[in-house]
Amino acid sequence: GESVGLHLPTLSVQEGDNSIINCAYSNSASDYFIWYKQESGKGPQFIIDIRSNMDKRQGQRVTVLLNKTVKHLSLQIAATQPGDSAVYFCAEHSGTYKYIFGTGTRLKVLA
Amino acid sequence: ETGVTQSPTHLIKTRGQQVTLRCSSQSGHNTVSWYQQALGQGPQFIFQYYREEENGRGNFPPRFSGLQFPNYSSELNVNALELDDSALYLCASSLAGSGGSNYGYTFGSGTRLTVV
Repeated sequence: GESVGLHLPTLSVQEGDNSIINCAYSNSASDYFIWYKQESGKGPQFIIDIRSNMDKRQGQRVTVLLNKTVKHLSLQIAATQPGDSAVYFCAEHSGTYKYIFGTGTRLKVLA
Repeated sequence: ETGVTQSPTHLIKTRGQQVTLRCSSQSGHNTVSWYQQALGQGPQFIFQYYREEENGRGNFPPRFSGLQFPNYSSELNVNALELDDSALYLCASSLAGSGGSNYGYTFGSGTRLTVV
């Protein structure tokens, strides 16, 4: 079925290091992408978004890169902190009304 | 400004029963989308409501139905519950334009449904 897949189900990083979470998306016509963070017992929380007419967007400690040629997204987190531990999802905006989510990558920050 | 609230937070039902989950959208939002998130998986789109009508639907059977009320709150109803319906059900609200397309979701914390 349709899906947005992720390359690494679990990523462990040392506190203070940079994290990179990757994602492959399925629909070349998707026009908008979001990275979400989901902590245990909570709903997904918006981190950063990017439109298909861009290839990079920066936020506070986070950067999203979009490579439309290979349908690939990445989320970079600078100076990873314990509070960054969560599951991260990329989602592509498909059509007019829905997002397609991947299965997620669990980020573990090691002290 | 209040966020998206869902009720109940947890629920246990028996196979074959029916369940109603509720969602209050964020202030200023007019569209509600429902997602099912199985354990260890990403959310899967169920359907979306805009102007009190279903605006789009994912690959879910008709026993999954919904409503949107004039105040933009919403209900998700599931009939004839099956064991595989056990999941976290997420509601997300957004503000759609006249064309029905929308971008920014705000998610609630979800309802954890367990079917036994």
